[in-house]
Amino acid sequence: EDQVTQSPEALRLQEGESSSLNCSYTVSGLRGLFWYRQDPGKGPEFLFTLYSAGEEKEKERLKATLTKKESFLHITAPKPEDSATYLCAVQAAGQAGTALIFGKGTTLSVSS
Amino acid sequence: GAVVSQHPSRVICKSGTSVKIECRSLDFQATTMFWYRQFPKQSLMLMATSNEGSKATYEQGVEKDKFLINHASLTLSTLTVTSAHPEDSSFYICSARDHGLDTQYFGPGTRLTVL
Repeated sequence: EDQVTQSPEALRLQEGESSSLNCSYTVSGLRGLFWYRQDPGKGPEFLFTLYSAGEEKEKERLKATLTKKESFLHITAPKPEDSATYLCAVQAAGQAGTALIFGKGTTLSVSS
Repeated sequence: GAVVSQHPSRVICKSGTSVKIECRSLDFQATTMFWYRQFPKQSLMLMATSNEGSKATYEQGVEKDKFLINHASLTLSTLTVTSAHPEDSSFYICSARDHGLDTQYFGPGTRLTVL
């Protein structure tokens, strides 16, 4: 069964304290892995898509990496505005229109 | 970036009434749209997948007669919650896939409260 597990469930950081969020997945052929950010009461905001092991993508203080079993979202020198829930999702190989399988998310709190 | 809108953002209704939620892709054509619901502090649960011009595919356990989905054009999908009850109260979010790409872009969500 296709599955996505995110850890930790919650993470508290001081401003400037770098850390990483983990997304482990099991899927019958990976078509793509996606990272989203969700603020309370809002829809998920797209961050990154990763397609193959070894791929990396960066956006401001965020960097996403991918291996054959997991993905990491590295947050460098976070700021309070980075506080949000970060969702990881995978799309199994097949037609492009297949649905995403989401993890439960990691809720990040950054204090100043 | 791609923009998806939802309307209304918040709705309160009486038990037994029907509620329609619209999802629009504003700057791209979406051959496929997805409807999710999310309970507090939980992740997104896929309800159904809709392809333009064809019937929606519902996930197991989702009542197709209760949650009516219409995807009449490449930029609009609607979800109608029929005969809503308090247990249908939730946060409903749509997403749209840009034609030819894999990435799904999400709408801002609709908070439904059934009294």
